Amino acid sequence: DAGITQSPRHKVTETGTPVTLRCHQTENHRYMYWYRQDPGHGLRLIHYSYGVKDTDKGEVSDGYSVSRSKTEDFLLTLESATSSQTSVYFCAISDSTGTNQPQHFGDGTRLSIL
Amino acid sequence: SQQGEEDPQALSIQEGENATMNCSYKTSINNLQWYRQNSGRGLVHLILIRSNEREKHSGRLRVTLDTSKKSSSLLITASRAADTASYFCATDGETGANNLFFGTGTRLTVIP
Repeated sequence: DAGITQSPRHKVTETGTPVTLRCHQTENHRYMYWYRQDPGHGLRLIHYSYGVKDTDKGEVSDGYSVSRSKTEDFLLTLESATSSQTSVYFCAISDSTGTNQPQHFGDGTRLSIL
Repeated sequence: SQQGEEDPQALSIQEGENATMNCSYKTSINNLQWYRQNSGRGLVHLILIRSNEREKHSGRLRVTLDTSKKSSSLLITASRAADTASYFCATDGETGANNLFFGTGTRLTVIP
């Protein structure tokens, strides 16, 4: 398995609180992605990074921000969590442009916002 | 949305039978990928097929792609209980951006 660690694995928090999810990789891959998975929607891209300090928005980026200060770490922040952000969040990495290379996924963070 | 759609949503078969899942998508693509997800785990890449390919094999997996119909199929032959999982197709967009667009998945149950 690709060396991808997501933390925490589970989190329960209240509406309005800030939340930060961490993705750590040991593969030295250039590209990192954050997805959310919801029933009936499949996986949807939130943000991705194509290098240190280089990020871009995905399909469902509203309410989320990201940062990548080191190759190995990609952080996803919910500045003020809402109940609609209850979901399972997955980090993925790829060695090259994601569309013609496989992406390798972490095991997810289950986030519940009450 | 450029999201693909898998069909059927759920499939239940006996061990040893073949399982076929279909994926339809809406826009032109450069390639299409299939992933498997076991319960509570992340997605695992199975196979990538490029738009100029019609069929690809990997072990017990066979993937076909028909770009004229904007559809792909994943065939798992001689299924095993360990194949029980959700299967997703993912396509890139016609813009050539780095995004993958995932379908909603087929839930496969293989009964021992």
